[in-house]
Amino acid sequence: GAVVSQHPSWVICKSGTSVKIECRSLDFQATTMFWYRQFPKQSLMLMATSNEGSKATYEQGVEKDKFLINHASLTLSTLTVTSAHPEDSSFYICRASDNGPYEQYFGPGTRLTVT
Amino acid sequence: SQQGEEDPQALSIQEGENATMNCSYKTSINNLQWYRQNSGRGLVHLILIRSNEREKHSGRLRVTLDTSKKSSSLLITASRAADTASYFCATDEGYSTLTFGKGTMLLVSP
Repeated sequence: GAVVSQHPSWVICKSGTSVKIECRSLDFQATTMFWYRQFPKQSLMLMATSNEGSKATYEQGVEKDKFLINHASLTLSTLTVTSAHPEDSSFYICRASDNGPYEQYFGPGTRLTVT
Repeated sequence: SQQGEEDPQALSIQEGENATMNCSYKTSINNLQWYRQNSGRGLVHLILIRSNEREKHSGRLRVTLDTSKKSSSLLITASRAADTASYFCATDEGYSTLTFGKGTMLLVSP
C-alpha cells in the first residue's frame, strides 16, 4: 500500500523556537494533504487542508500565522510551528490524498514536546 | 469540529470476548471509516463502509452502518490482548475531509 512518512518522529524544542515537520508521500502524488493535531487521550482534530500549489485552508480556531503550512510539491508538505509554546506540545499527524475514491493515507505522526 | 461520538469511552474485556463500539454522527456522509491507534502511535485503517452499505466484514471485524439513525458499530470478535488500543470512527462527508470521533479505549486482558 501507499506510504506516507513524517520527519522527525519526535522533537523536543525550547519555548519560543520554531519547529518544522515534514510529510512526504513516497509512492504517489498527494494532491491534498491534511494536518491533524492530537492531544493526549483525545481524538484527532483537523488543523488545515492544503492543496498543492495553493494556500492552506485552516479550521476555525487554528492560527494560520502560527502554524505555517507549505505544500510546494505533490510529494511534500511541511508544517512549521512558529514560536512554539508548551501548549503546542502534541502529536501531529499528516494525511495525504490523491483524491482517488476513498484513498487516503496517514503518516506515522510526529510528537512535539515544547519545554 | 468533531462529528463522530463513540461509546463507550473505555471498555475492558477478557481475551476471547467480543467487543462492540458504537459511533454516532450528525450529517450526511459518503462513507464511514474505523481506525485503530496504539498508544502514542500512528493510525491504522481498519475498514471503510460506504453510505449505501449496511454491513461489512474483515477478518474478526464486523462493521454496521445505519444511515437513518446516523450510527455505526464496530464488533471485534474473539478479542486478543493485541487488540488493546484506541478505536476511532471517522466520517467522510465528501471532498476527502475526515472528521474523527472521540474514540473508545479498549483494554483486552489475557
